[in-house]
Amino acid sequence: AQKVTQAQTEISVVEKEDVTLDCVYETRDTTYYLFWYKQPPSGELVFLIRRNSFDEQNEISGRYSWNFQKSTSSFNFTITASQVVDSAVYFCALSLYNQGGKLIFGQGTELSVKP
Amino acid sequence: EAGVAQSPRYKIIEKRQSVAFWCNPISGHATLYWYQQILGQGPKLLIQFQNNGVVDDSQLPKDRFSAERLKGVDSTLKIQPAKLEDSAVYLCASSFGGQGYEQYFGPGTRLTVT
Repeated sequence: AQKVTQAQTEISVVEKEDVTLDCVYETRDTTYYLFWYKQPPSGELVFLIRRNSFDEQNEISGRYSWNFQKSTSSFNFTITASQVVDSAVYFCALSLYNQGGKLIFGQGTELSVKP
Repeated sequence: EAGVAQSPRYKIIEKRQSVAFWCNPISGHATLYWYQQILGQGPKLLIQFQNNGVVDDSQLPKDRFSAERLKGVDSTLKIQPAKLEDSAVYLCASSFGGQGYEQYFGPGTRLTVT
């Protein structure tokens, strides 16, 4: 069965701290995609990144970086020098190639960045 | 480029009543999804359309939920009759294609069943 686990329910940091959000996934499929979405208090899910199972290169986008490791089935997300505007719920999601595109979401991690 | 539009944003109904939600996807997006997000959980897929055909409705409670996407653009999701456990946010998303494409989400409809 396919599953995404985000073990950290809530994280609280002070502005300018670095923070890593963990994501562990389970699947026996060899072709799949991993995503991160941000859900601010307004409620709308915002796409952050997509990775396919054949591309283990880490990615950096500004203060955001992602570490994909197939050996540990993890796709972790790090925010460097966090800001108050980063406060939101962050979801990791898995999509299998043979399932038409549906996203299987984790439970989410609520990040609170305090000034 | 306009995003995914949903209406209404909020709805309060009594149990056993019916309710309908509307979604207008991003122009040119062939794939449309409806997700249910219960408070404190990640969204769960209810139904996926490719143009006006259903790709996956395996998790749709078909005894009370129905959805359609006429003409392959707008979509409506209906609940009849509603139960207390249907209280959730209903999210519509669209993507250019199916597998591997990022999905863009609308603001959601928050349903409260009393």
